Amino acid sequence: SAVISQKPSRDICQRGTSLTIQCQVDSQVTMMFWYRQQPGQSLTLIATANQGSEATYESGFVIDKFPISRPNLTFSTLTVSNLSPEDSSIYLCSVERGTSTDTQYFGPGTRLTVL
Amino acid sequence: QKEVEQNSGPLSVPEGAIASLNCTYSDRGSQSFFWYRQYSGKSPELIMSIYSNGDKEDGRFTAQLNKASQYVSLLIRDSQPSDSATYLCAVNQGGGSYIPTFGRGTSLIVHP
Repeated sequence: SAVISQKPSRDICQRGTSLTIQCQVDSQVTMMFWYRQQPGQSLTLIATANQGSEATYESGFVIDKFPISRPNLTFSTLTVSNLSPEDSSIYLCSVERGTSTDTQYFGPGTRLTVL
Repeated sequence: QKEVEQNSGPLSVPEGAIASLNCTYSDRGSQSFFWYRQYSGKSPELIMSIYSNGDKEDGRFTAQLNKASQYVSLLIRDSQPSDSATYLCAVNQGGGSYIPTFGRGTSLIVHP
């Protein structure tokens, strides 16, 4: 498995501001992923963070709203910009790890509330 | 559109019973199958992965895969109140893809 930490664990933000979430992994990984989990819902992939290149965004998610950085193989940030109450959610980073390299392990998550 | 379907529940079982959680998927080319447990307010935790038809056992957990029927299940034997959580099924098409499709999860309640 992998040891993954996220900061902050939770935050309450005002409408129109931004929040940057950090994800740190205990060892180098090729791919890091950012998910959103809205209340009572399953996991929705926002983007795949690639080291040395632009993130790959899923349909419905755009770089202006969710800019991502991946400066090295152990760290990534997700910024949620121009916050609205609809952005209230849990944001999770994950990494792929395993013998077949298709197993994902999740960080503890960041609970965001937008007022 | 790849879909992974789970009954949202809640599934309620008495302590000591067998809990059976089911999942169906739409993509016949899927190669990898995962079960995650998610406690309220926590992130998903990997329980089991299965890649071949049949059963795979790990302690009190057994994953069952039937690719012909596009069906994967998780059995929890001797259920404990600490097993009460939401169980997420995830399916990966494989072939170098690292991105699974998650179901909405089944809420399991084990009552004393």
